[in-house]
Amino acid sequence: DIQLTQSPSTLSASVGDRVTITCRASQTMTPWLAWYQQKPGKPPKLLISKASTLESGVPSRFSGSGSGTEFTLTISGLQPDDFATYYCQQFYVHPHTFGQGTKLDIK
Amino acid sequence: QITLEESGPTLVKPTQTLTLTCSFSGFSLTTGGVGVAWIRQPPGEALEWLGVIYWNDDKVYTPSLKSRVAISKDTSENQVVLTMTNMDPADTATYYCAYRRRSSDPWYGPWGQGTLVTVSS
Repeated sequence: DIQLTQSPSTLSASVGDRVTITCRASQTMTPWLAWYQQKPGKPPKLLISKASTLESGVPSRFSGSGSGTEFTLTISGLQPDDFATYYCQQFYVHPHTFGQGTKLDIK
Repeated sequence: QITLEESGPTLVKPTQTLTLTCSFSGFSLTTGGVGVAWIRQPPGEALEWLGVIYWNDDKVYTPSLKSRVAISKDTSENQVVLTMTNMDPADTATYYCAYRRRSSDPWYGPWGQGTLVTVSS
């Protein structure tokens, strides 16, 4: 199995900040990585596919990058609606494992 | 518009078998590349991938649960069924089904709203 390790586990930030979440994989898997946003009581929502492709309707302040074993999700200019938990998921091999999540909360 | 909805019992007893149904619309599980996955999330914890069924009836399960989990499809009814045997309190979680669009674009979305299953005597 590919293990995905997200860092940090919790991130405190303010509206307007730029934040970066990292997802490290136990083996190379470019570019088969997705990022999801989850709010309490709701299912995850796909934000970014193929490591860096923004899904339709997702604000351009979200961006993804990375290759090999290290991938990042960046949010530039945090908005109140962005405070949520973020997960990465790999699609390189089965099982399609998730990272442990990064909770982004208001400072 | 693609939608998915999970249904099934909200409470099961330890050792019982759980059966959940994912009813979907807006796509066909006979279309090449398409799949439906099951994911669960214990309260306050991370997402856990359980398995996936593909248009060609291939199924893949997470190794740790492979002996307990089965996924099947009814293409005429647009439903996918998850069966999990020998339920334990540790299996208490919200169970989600999700749409996988195609082989070159395997990401999950949209997801169903999820159904909370509690395992307790």
